[in-house]
Amino acid sequence: GAGVSQTPSNKVTEKGKYVELRCDPISGHTALYWYRQSLGQGPEFLIYFQGTGAADDSGLPNDRFFAVRPEGSVSTLKIQRTERGDSAVYLCASSLGGTPYEQYFGPGTRLTVT
Amino acid sequence: SQQGEEDPQALSIQEGENATMNCSYKTSINNLQWYRQNSGRGLVHLILIRSNEREKHSGRLRVTLDTSKKSSSLLITASRAADTASYFCATGDTGGFKTIFGAGTRLFVKA
Repeated sequence: GAGVSQTPSNKVTEKGKYVELRCDPISGHTALYWYRQSLGQGPEFLIYFQGTGAADDSGLPNDRFFAVRPEGSVSTLKIQRTERGDSAVYLCASSLGGTPYEQYFGPGTRLTVT
Repeated sequence: SQQGEEDPQALSIQEGENATMNCSYKTSINNLQWYRQNSGRGLVHLILIRSNEREKHSGRLRVTLDTSKKSSSLLITASRAADTASYFCATGDTGGFKTIFGAGTRLFVKA
């Protein structure tokens, strides 16, 4: 079966623009996570969905970041008015449920804000 | 902020040797997981240990957990060049949602 997929794999945008990053989780996985990873660091938790609802969005750095999962499957991470500091690899993971189930990660989207 | 802290930050060993990585964390946890990452992209789950477990094995991997010291260790026995990667510990909080990763240990296994 297919794993977690993320599109695009790379995104270059200008400062101030709006971007959307997409995540397709493994079919049947109810939990979905977004992380952000900077070079040389571990993944930084952003938001967790259980089904359609955001069960924990405490990791979103500010109100420029927003994520949705309207049908409980595909999720979109939206970043408004991008800043150079938003440049990172954005990782998505899905699991059968919240912790303690193992998470399956996608390959990530590398976002570069110029 | 990240909860887990791995030690050492980097480790270089010869093929066939054992590699030990340590992880410390700060608050109560439901479980602790170890992940491997190659080439800075997707992570692969290695092993999960629950807070009421003390040791777990999976193939060449051995994980220990000491909740009184808030620490865990990952031992890779008989290392191979293909084990070269970054290794992260990740703690699942008692609320059941958030998973917090440490900064990782970069392991290099020389053939």
